[in-house]
Amino acid sequence: AQSVTQPDIHITVSEGASLELRCNYSYGATPYLFWYVQSPGQGLQLLLKYFSGDTLVQGIKGFEAEFKRSQSSFNLRKPSVHWSDAAEYFCAVGAGAQKLVFGQGTRLTINP
Amino acid sequence: DTAVSQTPKYLVTQMGNDKSIKCEQNLGHDTMYWYKQDSKKFLKIMFSYNNKELIINETVPNRFSPKSPDKAHLNLHINSLELGDSAVYFCASSQGQGWGGYTFGSGTRLTVV
Repeated sequence: AQSVTQPDIHITVSEGASLELRCNYSYGATPYLFWYVQSPGQGLQLLLKYFSGDTLVQGIKGFEAEFKRSQSSFNLRKPSVHWSDAAEYFCAVGAGAQKLVFGQGTRLTINP
Repeated sequence: DTAVSQTPKYLVTQMGNDKSIKCEQNLGHDTMYWYKQDSKKFLKIMFSYNNKELIINETVPNRFSPKSPDKAHLNLHINSLELGDSAVYFCASSQGQGWGGYTFGSGTRLTVV
């Protein structure tokens, strides 16, 4: 069965520091991969997605992610975080028709 | 204009009651979903509808009954509410299989007391 693992439940970084959030997936076929962000009390917003082609994808808000098939990973990165990036981040894999399977989420805290 | 709107935003009710959550999207998408987010923030799909037709029913108790009167609306009715139903329920929509990404509503926080 398809699954997504986000090994880090909570990460704290200082404002201006770089960020990497980890995501590993399990899926038999070529995966469709996504990163979403959820601010407190809000719905989920799509940051970026990967289907095929260039394995480094750019998203909104200065985020990027790299697909590594050999490691079954799709890690999210940002070179310099801002206090407004504090939120919950979810990695997801497209698991067949009309179904996204989400990871457990990583809560990002930013220290001033 | 809100793309995917859910009402109500908050719902507090007693065990045993019946309640409904409404969802509407104005994006012209043909597929809509209900997801449940538990207290640990874990998101799990409940249902998906494509052009008013049920596509996925992810082993949800039959106390939960989705209804899609047209492809812009997907409502969720819950009978005989239980304490374990307390969660945040998200509606979402997409075009086709959703590989362009889903658009989520802002959620309905249901508290059963």
